[in-house]
Amino acid sequence: DIQMTQSPSSLSASVGDRVTITCRASQGISNDLAWFQQKPGKAPNRLIYTASTLQTGVPSRFSGSGSGTEFTLTISSLQAEDFATYYCLQHNTYPWTFGPGTKVEIK
Amino acid sequence: QVELVQSGSEVKKPGASVKVSCKASGYAFSTFAITWVRQAPGQGLECMGWTSAYTGNTHFAQKFQGRVSLTTETSTNTAYMELRSLRYDDTAVYYCARWGTSCSGSNCYIDVFDIWGQGTVVTVSS
Repeated sequence: DIQMTQSPSSLSASVGDRVTITCRASQGISNDLAWFQQKPGKAPNRLIYTASTLQTGVPSRFSGSGSGTEFTLTISSLQAEDFATYYCLQHNTYPWTFGPGTKVEIK
Repeated sequence: QVELVQSGSEVKKPGASVKVSCKASGYAFSTFAITWVRQAPGQGLECMGWTSAYTGNTHFAQKFQGRVSLTTETSTNTAYMELRSLRYDDTAVYYCARWGTSCSGSNCYIDVFDIWGQGTVVTVSS
């Protein structure tokens, strides 16, 4: 199975900060990667697909980049509603696997 | 609007089975597959397997093979996940999510998990 790692596992940040989350795959997955935001008690919500394509309706402060084994999710200016847990997902090889998540908390 | 609506919470005893439904609306059900994802309390997300609403083909993560059945009913636009021989560590929220293949000209990609169900809490308790 392809192992996905995320760093950091958690972070504290202030409104307006720039935040970067890294996701690494144990082997190359081309651009078959998506990012999701999950708030407590809610289903995940897709932010980015094919590594860098912004989901319709998602604010432009979110962006994704990378290919192969290393990917990043960047929030250019953190807003109050962005405090949540973020997961990456590889869908290149079965079984599709999620990263362990990055919890973004208020500083 | 496009949505997936899941059945309600369940409480089951160890060794029992649970069947969760996921009803689709607002799109052509047969043009997407449905994946089942679970999340144990305080834990991350785990793909269990998927079923094609068009062909009925299924694929399971190895840890669930032999214990899970995934089916679809095109007459009602509903997908089902049945998990048997429940254990305490099967206590989790179970989600359905759709995925399909989208093409722009000759450029095709997997359009993954853009729509999710609201989740079904399954509690295994004696």
